[in-house]
Amino acid sequence: AQSVTQLGSHVSVSEGALVLLRCNYSSSVPPYLFWYVQYPNQGLQLLLKYTSAATLVKGINGFEAEFKKSETSFHLTKPSAHMSDAAEYFCAVRGTDKLIFGTGTRLQVFP
Amino acid sequence: SQTIHQWPATLVQPVGSPLSLECTVEGTSNPNLYWYRQAAGRGLQLLFYSVGIGQISSEVPQNLSASRPQDRQFILSSKKLLLSDSGFYLCAWSVPGGTIYFGEGSWLTVV
Repeated sequence: AQSVTQLGSHVSVSEGALVLLRCNYSSSVPPYLFWYVQYPNQGLQLLLKYTSAATLVKGINGFEAEFKKSETSFHLTKPSAHMSDAAEYFCAVRGTDKLIFGTGTRLQVFP
Repeated sequence: SQTIHQWPATLVQPVGSPLSLECTVEGTSNPNLYWYRQAAGRGLQLLFYSVGIGQISSEVPQNLSASRPQDRQFILSSKKLLLSDSGFYLCAWSVPGGTIYFGEGSWLTVV
């Protein structure tokens, strides 16, 4: 069975600092992995996805994630945080006909 | 292009009253459809998913039910709401094996 673990329910960074949100996965088959972002009182928006092509995946809003099989990780990064990046971020792995989500990481960005 | 709509956006219901949340998808045929719930301070919980008309899989035993009367319509229902049913409900769709896309969500407060 597939699962994901997001390390850190809250992450705080200063504007302009590096953003690193951690996600580790468990899967018995080659995984399809996703990062979604949720702004307050809204649905989830797809940031990026890994589907067994390039291991470094670029997404929207300057985010990217690197698939590392040896570490079973799919961490999300952004070189320079912006105030508008404040949101909740969810890592997910695709199971049979469904997505399995992590518990989410709330990103705060301070001026 | 494909779009997903769910309504109502906000709902306040007394304990013991019925519930009906509706979701429709446009611009695609035979999508997989999903209902997720996000309780306050918690991650996303898959409630139901459907791979076709009349085909419903329940992930968690609970006070809720789902139906798919038409190809692109997915309904979440309850006969008698509980306080614990409060939360943010998200409808989502995908092509089989594809990326999952979410609606804007429905806030349910049971009082």
